[in-house]
Amino acid sequence: GQSLEQPSEVTAVEGAIVQINCTYQTSGFYGLSWYQQHDGGAPTFLSYNALDGLEETGRFSSFLSRSDSYGYLLLQELQMKDSASYFCAVRDRASNYQLIWGAGTKLIIKP
Amino acid sequence: DTGVSQDPRHKITKRGQNVTFRCDPISEHNRLYWYRQTLGQGPEFLTYFQNEAQLEKSRLLSDRFSAERPKGSFSTLEIQRTEQGDSAMYLCASSDPGQGAIGEQYFGPGTRLTVT
Repeated sequence: GQSLEQPSEVTAVEGAIVQINCTYQTSGFYGLSWYQQHDGGAPTFLSYNALDGLEETGRFSSFLSRSDSYGYLLLQELQMKDSASYFCAVRDRASNYQLIWGAGTKLIIKP
Repeated sequence: DTGVSQDPRHKITKRGQNVTFRCDPISEHNRLYWYRQTLGQGPEFLTYFQNEAQLEKSRLLSDRFSAERPKGSFSTLEIQRTEQGDSAMYLCASSDPGQGAIGEQYFGPGTRLTVT
């Protein structure tokens, strides 16, 4: 079966950098996505990695290591509006390539 | 384009009643997904359409759940004989036809269902 692990909560200070890790177990990995969800809102797509390496989009970067079954989301220059839950989600053969989601990491930002 | 829309935004129903939700995807997206999300959890995949064809349905989805996308545009999700355990946020998402696009989905605001 598939499983994803990410920390349930991370706390950081405004202006700082924070890394949210995601480890996964799948039987035929295809890709890793990251989504942001504010309380009461819908998930918003952030990034998708199918190949090893770092992808940067503005203040957010996402990294994937297929050999380590590991990825992370890096948020730089944290702003109060970044307070939200962040989900990693994998596509794999066992789920017929549909997204299987982690339980999410609640990011708390302090001034 | 106004993005993915869902209707209604909130639904309160009594146990045993049937409910139907509607989703209008982004117009150029041919892929449509339904998810269910409960508090403190990630979205749980329910079903997937490519155009009008329902290509995937979660094994967790009971026979009380059915979804349609009759003309490959909007979709409906019906829950028959609702149970209190069906209370959740029902999310719809869409994505474009590209190879990696299943990983890049755009979500509607959701329909929050409360079964009393």
